[in-house]
Amino acid sequence: KQEVTQIPAALSVPEGENLVLNCSFTDSAIYNLQWFRQDPGKGLTSLLLIQSSQREQTSGRLNASLDKSSGRSTLYIAASQPGDSATYLCAVRLNLRYGTSYGKLTFGQGTILTVHP
Amino acid sequence: EPEVTQTPSHQVTQMGQEVILRCVPISNHLYFYWYRQILGQKVEFLVSFYNNEISEKSEIFDDQFSVERPDGSNFTLKIRSTKLEDSAMYFCASSARIISYNEQFFGPGTRLTVL
Repeated sequence: KQEVTQIPAALSVPEGENLVLNCSFTDSAIYNLQWFRQDPGKGLTSLLLIQSSQREQTSGRLNASLDKSSGRSTLYIAASQPGDSATYLCAVRLNLRYGTSYGKLTFGQGTILTVHP
Repeated sequence: EPEVTQTPSHQVTQMGQEVILRCVPISNHLYFYWYRQILGQKVEFLVSFYNNEISEKSEIFDDQFSVERPDGSNFTLKIRSTKLEDSAMYFCASSARIISYNEQFFGPGTRLTVL
């Protein structure tokens, strides 16, 4: 059974710092990995999706890397801002067979990020 | 930009009552999902749906739950007889296709409170 773990559980940083959020998963046979942002009481906003054949993806100040063989992904946030304060969730999609997957995402617990001015 | 919408945003119900949560997926998407998040816990997969049938479901999705796509735009989750432990945020998601770039887009959620 796929288990996804995120560390740290919470992180508080001053504005402007670069930071790294970590995600690990137990079954390396993943199809892809998706990073989400969740604001309190709100839905999930997709930030980045990395396919299993990719090593990294970038969007603006965000960079996500994937090391499938070691079961790890990191989300790097450059020059953090107070508006980045949210919970960041990592989710993996298992590669069931023959290169397909039914789409089920398995989520980590999330990292609660606070960026203070 | 297209988005997934959900109604209602908050539903309060008495234990044992039936509830229907509604979702309008992104219009050209073909794959639909329901997830839930109990307060303070992980987001959990409930069910995936494609071509008018369930393609995968979790152990949570027992016979008290059902899904339906009653028309070309709506996707619903029905809980027949709600229990206290069904209280959670329910998220609908959709994606364009299963294989290749299957980025899932989530709605804002329906907060279900069972009293």
